[in-house]
Amino acid sequence: DIVLTQSPGTLSLSPGQRATLSCWASRNLPKNRLAWFQQKPGQAPRLLIYGASIRATDIPDRFSGSGSGTDFTLTISRLEPEDFAVYYCQQYGSAVMYTFGQGTKLEI
Amino acid sequence: QVQLQESGPGLVKPSETLSLTCTVSGDSMRNNHWTWIRQSPGEGLEWIGRVHTSGDIKYNPSLESRLTMSADASKKQFSLNLKSMTAADTAIYYCARIGTYSGTFGYFDYWGQGVLVTVSS
Repeated sequence: DIVLTQSPGTLSLSPGQRATLSCWASRNLPKNRLAWFQQKPGQAPRLLIYGASIRATDIPDRFSGSGSGTDFTLTISRLEPEDFAVYYCQQYGSAVMYTFGQGTKLEI
Repeated sequence: QVQLQESGPGLVKPSETLSLTCTVSGDSMRNNHWTWIRQSPGEGLEWIGRVHTSGDIKYNPSLESRLTMSADASKKQFSLNLKSMTAADTAIYYCARIGTYSGTFGYFDYWGQGVLVTVSS
């Protein structure tokens, strides 16, 4: 089925810096059916972006998503201390099943 | 505000069947699909399957032979039964709502807190 590959595996940055996370799909995702999630230790994942670029409810505008087809990007414009977490992309373009990327750990 | 809460055993013996229930509040359940997702300790996320109160159901092909899901809007619950459990099924099991917009659906907009299920004798 559709495999998602995230890069980098770990990203080390400081508060105030810009973070760019990538997600590649093994096949084209129709209608940009890609979502991004943030997960902190001991918590359920939290939806950030769907439709590749639509921010979910109550998500700060420093989070933005872009891309289409097979290449997608999550950008955090100015990192806040609470943004350090693991980020996953997820595709819902397949008629067979949904899949997640392996995650990018964003650390200080 | 939509809220979901998983319930079920935290410990299951090998070869037994896992039964989990997700109780929904703040939503009628009839306008969305509902789903289960799991996460093995320290690992990534795996989609298990989705269900709608209309009877539409889709399973992860790798789990389909062991899996049964159902949804009951009158009880505001949906459930998962996974048989023949092994240590490889040890994970945090999350229930979630599948969001919809512009005629498409498939992302997970509301999640339960998760329940850790350990398979051990």
